[in-house]
Amino acid sequence: QQNVQQSPESLIVPEGARTSLNCTFSDSASQYFWWYRQHSGKAPKALMSIFSNGEKEEGRFTIHLNKASLHFSLHIRDSQPSDSALYLCAVSNRTGGYKVVFGSGTRLLVSP
Amino acid sequence: GGIITQTPKFLIGQEGQKLTLKCQQNFNHDTMYWYRQDSGKGLRLIYYSITENDLQKGDLSEGYDASREKKSSFSLTVTSAQKNEMAVFLCASSIWGGGETLYFGSGTRLTVL
Repeated sequence: QQNVQQSPESLIVPEGARTSLNCTFSDSASQYFWWYRQHSGKAPKALMSIFSNGEKEEGRFTIHLNKASLHFSLHIRDSQPSDSALYLCAVSNRTGGYKVVFGSGTRLLVSP
Repeated sequence: GGIITQTPKFLIGQEGQKLTLKCQQNFNHDTMYWYRQDSGKGLRLIYYSITENDLQKGDLSEGYDASREKKSSFSLTVTSAQKNEMAVFLCASSIWGGGETLYFGSGTRLTVL
């Protein structure tokens, strides 16, 4: 059974800082990895995904995946107050039957 | 673009009551999901469905039933509402599941008196 854990549970950073969020998973057969962002009172929305080992950058956001370590991370450069939200990582694989398992979330607050 | 509509937005029930939550999507997506979110925490999978009339249990299926009679709709029934399951229930869909992005509805907030 897939177990997805996030750290830290919450984080406060000053505006302009670099922020790092972590996600570990237990199933080595995992193939698809996402970060979702949920602003207060809103629905989660997909932020970024990665499907192979390495790094992917989109604007201020970078995702790192290391399948051997069962770990992936999200890095936010030049954090903005509008980045304040709950960040959720998610993992799935085809042999898992389309099951998408989410982590427990990291609450980020960027102070102006 | 498309939209996922969840009804009702707020649902209040009595302990022990059977309650039904509904979800409709117009993306023409094959796979649909029900998740439960407790007080700003992560999402826990209750049920999912990869096509019409298919049902797959998630990690939190006990105490819930689901139904997928049409491709566009997926309903969730709380079989006997308990006070410890007050939460926001989120419906999502994706093109076929697996490697595709999930699109979420805005949720149904359940309160049990």
